[in-house]
Amino acid sequence: DVKVTQSSRYLVKRTGEKVFLECVQDMDHENMFWYRQDPGLGLRLIYFSYDVKMKEKGDIPEGYSVSREKKERFSLILESASTNQTSMYLCASTRQGRWTEAFFGQGTRLTVV
Amino acid sequence: GEDVEQSLFLSVREGDSSVINCTYTDSSSTYLYWYKQEPGAGLQLLTYIFSNMDMKQDQRLTVLLNKKDKHLSLRIADTQTGDSAIYFCAESADDKIIFGKGTRLHILP
Repeated sequence: DVKVTQSSRYLVKRTGEKVFLECVQDMDHENMFWYRQDPGLGLRLIYFSYDVKMKEKGDIPEGYSVSREKKERFSLILESASTNQTSMYLCASTRQGRWTEAFFGQGTRLTVV
Repeated sequence: GEDVEQSLFLSVREGDSSVINCTYTDSSSTYLYWYKQEPGAGLQLLTYIFSNMDMKQDQRLTVLLNKKDKHLSLRIADTQTGDSAIYFCAESADDKIIFGKGTRLHILP
């Protein structure tokens, strides 16, 4: 019954490393999203994609990039990880404009040391 | 821009009702949502309400919407220890969803 899968639950990376966070959904959803969650700040949108190879910046895109080569997979890339990117990262997917059918992954807790 | 506000913490005795409040700014929102996040887990859509509705009830959950005041509330009847979680209010705007910062519900024995 898996719907949205994030490749890792926990990651520890060094400052300056390139980091890939992967998200896969099996529901043929058009939209996919990457959020980060920090205490006291709630969920903030980093990037989203509404179709293959299409992407839009969210509220906090600096220091991140994304890739959507296939409909089911949406990758978040930290080109050069920094300690202020230590956070919980959540992936979500929905049908076009249908947030009533949204599903979230279990989250990836990334620590940058 | 769009903004969703909610208090950060609520403490309730087991068996009492919990009421979590939220205000939002985007009057064009089509749907408003409540998500639940249990410790160590992702977000789970708990319930939602269409913007032309005033109230929606689903078992122990009651959602009230005051569109004039842009105020949304979630009432949990007979609160149980399993209800302990962070509850996020959210609104959909265009093709994005805007979340509040979350209200941590703490259950007292």
